[in-house]
Amino acid sequence: SAVISQKPSRDICQRGTSLTIQCQVDSQVTMMFWYRQQPGQSLTLIATANQGSEATYESGFVIDKFPISRPNLTFSTLTVSNMSPEDSSIYLCSSLRGADETQYFGPGTRLLVL
Amino acid sequence: GEDVEQSLFLSVREGDSSVINCTYTDSSSTYLYWYKQEPGAGLQLLTYIFSNMDMKQDQRLTVLLNKKDKHLSLRIADTQTGDSAIYFCAESNPGTASKLTFGTGTRLQVTL
Repeated sequence: SAVISQKPSRDICQRGTSLTIQCQVDSQVTMMFWYRQQPGQSLTLIATANQGSEATYESGFVIDKFPISRPNLTFSTLTVSNMSPEDSSIYLCSSLRGADETQYFGPGTRLLVL
Repeated sequence: GEDVEQSLFLSVREGDSSVINCTYTDSSSTYLYWYKQEPGAGLQLLTYIFSNMDMKQDQRLTVLLNKKDKHLSLRIADTQTGDSAIYFCAESNPGTASKLTFGTGTRLQVTL
């Protein structure tokens, strides 16, 4: 299985500020994904990040609010911009691994916006 | 459209079997997954099944897939207190760049 780490593991932020979340994978992967899990809810895909191209955003998510970088095949960042309390969630990154291309997840970043 | 549903809560006694159910609507699903989320933790991939299979067993876990009824289940034998967690089923679909659609999650509570 993949080893995926995220930084920070949690943070408390003031509204109007921005937070950048880092995701590191232990081997080169083509596709990385960013999900949001709002309190008590399931996971919702924010965007797919491929190295060397612009991220592909899902309906309801825009680049200005959630800019994503993918500078190489092992790393990606997600920025939550101009935060409001509604952005309080767990943010998880994932990547595909293996012949069956199963998705493995990082431990998540728990964000609380005051 | 894609919609994956699960019951919200299941309580079982330690040592009993747990069965967590999931229904989905997209008949073109290629893989179906079960993930476990313990309190304060990320998602752990438990097992998955390819859509042309009916059953998959992995130690205490048994996955059953009824493609006709679009029903997926996860059976945990000899449930332990460490199995207490939220269990998510998820489906992936061809042509969507491995996008996963997650169920609503089932909270499993194991009592002594």
